[in-house]
Amino acid sequence: EPEVTQTPSHQVTQMGQEVILRCVPISNHLYFYWYRQILGQKVEFLVSFYNNEISEKSEIFDDQFSVERPDGSNFTLKIRSTKLEDSAMYFCASSELGSGTGGNNEQFFGPGTRLTVL
Amino acid sequence: GDSVTQMEGPVTLSEEAFLTINCTYTATGYPSLFWYVQYPGEGLQLLLKATKADDKGSNKGFEATYRKETTSFHLEKGSVQVSDSAVYFCALSETGGYQKVTFGTGTKLQVIP
Repeated sequence: EPEVTQTPSHQVTQMGQEVILRCVPISNHLYFYWYRQILGQKVEFLVSFYNNEISEKSEIFDDQFSVERPDGSNFTLKIRSTKLEDSAMYFCASSELGSGTGGNNEQFFGPGTRLTVL
Repeated sequence: GDSVTQMEGPVTLSEEAFLTINCTYTATGYPSLFWYVQYPGEGLQLLLKATKADDKGSNKGFEATYRKETTSFHLEKGSVQVSDSAVYFCALSETGGYQKVTFGTGTKLQVIP
């Protein structure tokens, strides 16, 4: 069964450093997302991406964050200068095109990358 | 904006007890509704979903019915097992190609033998 994969599973970095979290969405999906979950809290939406541009972003997704689809398979989240409060689990998700499939917008989530900022 | 409210946890049950986790939602349109499960140390897994009113989603003995009149999507299971211990998230997504998923705060379930 196709699945979303994420690397690395755990990333430790120093405050102020740049990190890139990587995701490989399901191959025929066209919509991509990043979410984060601070330890013990709920999962929060960060950004959605379609047709090589951001569709929607939350207030959390400030100028320190960026997303990119550098090739036909990877989808990355970059944090330019990490802060302590960026420590969280980051989930990537993807969904297929809705029209023609009865409006199927189910998002499939990856296993997450745990980011620890020291 | 959209929101999901679910019952506070943790919920502690004995094995074979009946489980209900309440969930209500607020949405501007006609959302799809989901329950996700997160086992200790793991990511999010879709447990079940319902895409329109009166639909019943079911999986692994869990079920939930999309109640538009009460804007609810309560999760139930007739007989829980120790292996069901996890955090359960109620969530919704508006219809459309790239709508974000809005999650509730999660309810931790602990099942004791």
